[in-house]
Amino acid sequence: AQSVTQPDIHITVSEGASLELRCNYSYGATPYLFWYVQSPGQGLQLLLKYFSGDTLVQGIKGFEAEFKRSQSSFNLRKPSVHWSDAAEYFCAVGSNTGNQFYFGTGTSLTVIP
Amino acid sequence: DAGITQSPRHKVTETGTPVTLRCHQTENHRYMYWYRQDPGHGLRLIHYSYGVKDTDKGEVSDGYSVSRSKTEDFLLTLESATSSQTSVYFCATNRQGERTDTQYFGPGTRLTVL
Repeated sequence: AQSVTQPDIHITVSEGASLELRCNYSYGATPYLFWYVQSPGQGLQLLLKYFSGDTLVQGIKGFEAEFKRSQSSFNLRKPSVHWSDAAEYFCAVGSNTGNQFYFGTGTSLTVIP
Repeated sequence: DAGITQSPRHKVTETGTPVTLRCHQTENHRYMYWYRQDPGHGLRLIHYSYGVKDTDKGEVSDGYSVSRSKTEDFLLTLESATSSQTSVYFCATNRQGERTDTQYFGPGTRLTVL
């Protein structure tokens, strides 16, 4: 069965510092992976997605993620965090049948000035 | 932005009462989903729909029912609300239900069951 693990419940970084949010997946075939961001009181918004090809994926707001099959990981990165990046981040994987998506438990990001 | 609205945005109700949440989309997306979001659990799928009158259960469907009589509307009903159903409920859509599809989310409904 598909599953997603986000081992970090909460991360605090200083503004301008680099960021890496971890995501590990369990999947039998080629995974279809997503990162979403949720600002307080809002719905989720897609940051980026990976299906195939180049393992380094660029997304919106300066985020990128790298797919590493050998580590079953799809970590999200940003070289310099802005205060507006404070939010909750969710990793997700698409199901075998294509009609369901499985989400991790989320990582809450706090940005300190 | 897939033009997804949810109503109501906030609701407080009492145990044992029926509750219906509505999701409305303007993008003519085929697939619609209901999730609940709880601390420590992330988003969990309740039910989804792959067309008018076509629905299926998700991971946490007990105590919930859904209906889809029109492409644009997907209703979630709690027949007899319980305190364990206090949560934030999100509706989502995607175009064709392909694994590569982006999901578009509504703003959420915060439900409190007393």
